[in-house]
Parts: sequence; C-alpha cells; structure tokens
Amino acid sequence: RKEVEQDPGPFNVPEGATVAFNCTYSNSASQSFFWYRQDCRKEPKLLMSVYSSGNEDGRFTAQLNRASQYISLLIRDSKLSDSATYLCVVNKAAGNKLTFGGGTRVLVKP
Amino acid sequence: DTEVTQTPKHLVMGMTNKKSLKCEQHMGHRAMYWYKQKAKKPPELMFVYSYEKLSINESVPSRFSPECPNSSLLNLHLHALQPEDSALYLCASSRDRMGQGISEAFFGQGTRLTVV
Repeated sequence: RKEVEQDPGPFNVPEGATVAFNCTYSNSASQSFFWYRQDCRKEPKLLMSVYSSGNEDGRFTAQLNRASQYISLLIRDSKLSDSATYLCVVNKAAGNKLTFGGGTRVLVKP
Repeated sequence: DTEVTQTPKHLVMGMTNKKSLKCEQHMGHRAMYWYKQKAKKPPELMFVYSYEKLSINESVPSRFSPECPNSSLLNLHLHALQPEDSALYLCASSRDRMGQGISEAFFGQGTRLTVV
C-alpha cells in the first residue's frame, strides 16, 4: 500500500459546481498535512495547510480525519482557473520527509 | 517573500558533461530539498538537508551529488547522467521544527533537464 493515495481523476466539474476529493495516508504518526496545486509544467504551489479542526480559505475547505486517516479538499463555486492537479502532501513528525500523493486532476468546464 | 529561485530554468546536457543546478532562498528556512518529477507523476524526493547537513538520501545514484554551501544555497551536481534522468528538478525549502515536523514547503520553478 502506498503511503499517500489519491484518486487520480480526472474530476470533470461544471463551472460553478462543488467538487470534493480525498487523500488517504497509511502512517498514523503523520503530523502535518498540506494541499498543493500544480499546473501543467509548473512547480507545486501551496494551496493550504490542513489543521486538525479543519480550515477554510475562501472557496476551499480542508478537513482532517485522523481516525480514518484521510484528508479532504472541497472546492465551492468552481472556476475555470481551478483546473489543475491537486497534490496531497503528508509529513511525519520528527522527520523532514514530505510524501506526495499521486495527485487528483480536476477539470472545470464552462 | 516566499520565493525559491532556481537556475537554470532549462538545461540540455550530454551524457559525459558535468553541470550543476542551483537553488537559493532567503526565508531563513533551515530545511531544503531536491525533488525529481517526471511527466504526469508526483515529485519524488531525492535529498533533504537540515541545518546544512544531509539528513535524507533516498538511495539516489551517485551521479547526482548534492551540496549545501550555506543556509541559503543548495546545489545539485550532475555527472555522467543517462537519458532517463531527463525530468523537472525541483528545489524546495521549509522551516524545520527540530523533531516536531516541518512547516509548509515552498518550491522553486524547477530546472527542466534534458540529457542527450
């Protein structure tokens, strides 16, 4: 089993709709969680950190479920510019290793 | 300023060449990383430096040699590469919380390397 797993998609989303997807992690000692977005042939860019209580940044909401070992990302009122690959990134405490999931591709269409 | 600067942006090298990739950050981050990314795949960790010391080497072939001259700079020296080493090489940095995990990492734009 991979350390961090994501549904590769693509998720085809009508403009203005809501889309949500999860990321599961296998190491219960994982402590830090992040969502990054990556556009084609560009570097990953931090979208948001994921906190235990869940957090929201504009149209984006991230949740952490430690019991089931997954994090989620919800995008409301999708824009064409939200089309990208969303990467789940997990870090285990006491180490500097950031482990990436395989990414979830989201395509927002008019 | 959350900028990580990588040079060069593009590099074409022959299999007998020696070249270096450079990375610089001025955020005071003490953890720095090299990742390799192939098309349609997630970044794969190569090396991690923590407080200028190599802390993780993910069994990377010796034709890749990292160097951390100071807390702001990270180099990746390349020698005798193979065509399959062609990829996007990404540098990143983050705060190191000394055993309490790390903060979010910021990535440079990458060096797109082609080995011919």
